[in-house]
Amino acid sequence: GQQLNQSPQSMFIQEGEDVSMNCTSSSIFNTWLWYKQDPGEGPVLLIALYKAGELTSNGRLTAQFGITRKDSFLNISASIPSDVGIYFCAGREETSGSRLTFGEGTQLTVNP
Amino acid sequence: NAGVTQTPKFQVLKTGQSMTLQCAQDMNHEYMSWYRQDPGMGLRLIHYSVGAGITDQGEVPNGYNVSRSTTEDFPLRLLSAAPSQTSVYFCASSYVGSSYNEQFFGPGTRLTVL
Repeated sequence: GQQLNQSPQSMFIQEGEDVSMNCTSSSIFNTWLWYKQDPGEGPVLLIALYKAGELTSNGRLTAQFGITRKDSFLNISASIPSDVGIYFCAGREETSGSRLTFGEGTQLTVNP
Repeated sequence: NAGVTQTPKFQVLKTGQSMTLQCAQDMNHEYMSWYRQDPGMGLRLIHYSVGAGITDQGEVPNGYNVSRSTTEDFPLRLLSAAPSQTSVYFCASSYVGSSYNEQFFGPGTRLTVL
């Protein structure tokens, strides 16, 4: 089935640094979603993107829907310790109904 | 609104036992789904439903059954548990359509099969 390549797999950064992660697919998506998962919890939606080229912010988080419709990016500015967690991208193809495909996640560690 | 709720939060089974993981949502979402999460493998779709009475298989359906008798509930049944089914299970729901189909997740059920 469809695969999403999410990178990097893990990041270790200092508090205050900016973070970038991305996802790429082998086919065209019409929806990109970014989730964060805290330990022992379910994923929580951060940002939803529905149009190619769309750039959306949620506080210190900014995500973009790539113009090729095959990739998406998430940036976190001025990281803080509570940003620690696993970040997942998810995408939806036009032919997949409401089904989402998830990336394998980026484990973020922020050192105070 | 409670959102998506799952019970139990933790469960330990012996090989061959059966059990049902419960999932309910109060957002009137048509779409509901079950995922399993294993280390380093992200979220994999087990089964999904686009409405009451309609279910379909996802990426990893073997060993699991589902039914959707109401809009609110979407239970996942393990007929004969195997150690390979040790995982964290998440239920999610959303509206159906080209927009506003962000999926909302429950807190998860952590299952261990001995």
